[in-house]
Amino acid sequence: DGGITQSPKYLFRKEGQNVTLSCEQNLNHDAMYWYRQDPGQGLRLIYYSQIVNDFQKGDIAEGYSVSREKKESFPLTVTSAQKNPTAFYLCASILHSDRGKLFFGSGTQLSVL
Amino acid sequence: GESVGLHLPTLSVQEGDNSIINCAYSNSASDYFIWYKQESGKGPQFIIDIRSNMDKRQGQRVTVLLNKTVKHLSLQIAATQPGDSAVYFCAEAPPDDKIIFGKGTRLHILP
Repeated sequence: DGGITQSPKYLFRKEGQNVTLSCEQNLNHDAMYWYRQDPGQGLRLIYYSQIVNDFQKGDIAEGYSVSREKKESFPLTVTSAQKNPTAFYLCASILHSDRGKLFFGSGTQLSVL
Repeated sequence: GESVGLHLPTLSVQEGDNSIINCAYSNSASDYFIWYKQESGKGPQFIIDIRSNMDKRQGQRVTVLLNKTVKHLSLQIAATQPGDSAVYFCAEAPPDDKIIFGKGTRLHILP
């Protein structure tokens, strides 16, 4: 079955540590997105990538980094520069022809120890 | 910056009644609008979309209305059921596909 997989489901970060969240899709989708969701809040765009080897900053890119070396993979690194990383992180993918119809993964809850 | 917002954080509706969830957007360049439903602990799921050259679109039990004059979007759910309990988000997509979400409205169904 095709889908989008995020791992791990729960992740803990120590002070000064970088952590990487995985996002893989086998839907052959063109574009991929990372959003952050805080409790009681909407989704805020961190980064998005419309094609391989290219990505754009969203509204809250500071303290995060991404790569898009393969069409099916879009990992997100939360760096030590991100001072308030505790949140629910959602990855999504989309076909260019299906504008706005994002398919989301089940999310990763990141917490700081 | 420009953003998509919602008027009400929580909406309580009697089971069987119709629900109306509202959304205001501010990016005049957006030409595509989408509604998503998010259940607890899950990622959002696509419900219905509408292009800017339309003012109404109907799906199964759902209708989206777009008023470009006042930059307003609404989602109507007919005959609300317990399974409709969730948080609903509107989102806008400008031509550069930088898809931006609003803060969400929690729909609570009263028995």
